Amino acid sequence: DIQMTQSPSSLSASVGDRVTITCRASQSIGNYLNWYQQKPGKAPKLLIYAASSLQSGVPSRFSGSGSGTDFTLTISSLQPEDFATYYCQQSNSHPPTFGQGTKVDIK
Amino acid sequence: QVQLVESGGGVVQPERSLRLSCAAAGFTFSRYPMHWVRQAPGKGLEWVAVISYDGSNKHYADSVKGRFAISRDNSKNTLYLRMNSLRVEDTAIYYCARDQRLGYSSSCLDSWGQGTLVTVSS
Repeated sequence: DIQMTQSPSSLSASVGDRVTITCRASQSIGNYLNWYQQKPGKAPKLLIYAASSLQSGVPSRFSGSGSGTDFTLTISSLQPEDFATYYCQQSNSHPPTFGQGTKVDIK
Repeated sequence: QVQLVESGGGVVQPERSLRLSCAAAGFTFSRYPMHWVRQAPGKGLEWVAVISYDGSNKHYADSVKGRFAISRDNSKNTLYLRMNSLRVEDTAIYYCARDQRLGYSSSCLDSWGQGTLVTVSS
């Protein structure tokens, strides 16, 4: 199975901050990388697919980049509603696997 | 809009069985592969199983292979997960999720239900 490793595991940030989360795959996955946001008590929500494509309805302050083994999710200006846990997921091969998550909380 | 509503969770003893359901609405259910994903309390996401749009192909995580069975009834717009020989470590919220791609699975999950909690405990 492909292992997905996110860093950091958690971070504290303020409203308006630029936030970057990284995700590394244990082997090359091309651009088959998706990002999800999960708020407490809620289901995950797809933010970014195919490494850099913004899901419909997702604010443009979210962006994704990378290919191969190294990927990044960036929030350009953190908003109060962005405090949540973020997961990367590879969809290159079975089984699909998720990173361990990055919790973004308020500084 | 897409709606996925899971049901069937509850408290069950180890080695017993349970069947989860996921009722779909707001899209042409019969054209999309569907997945189950679970999340143990306070933990991350774990993919469980996928079924093709027509039910002819199924894949499972190693952790549930041989114990869980995914199925669907396209006439009822419903996805199922039959869970046998349940273990304490199967305790989790179980989400059904729609594949982003029509036809063949992409494993990108663009819509999720609210989840149903399964607790395996004696």
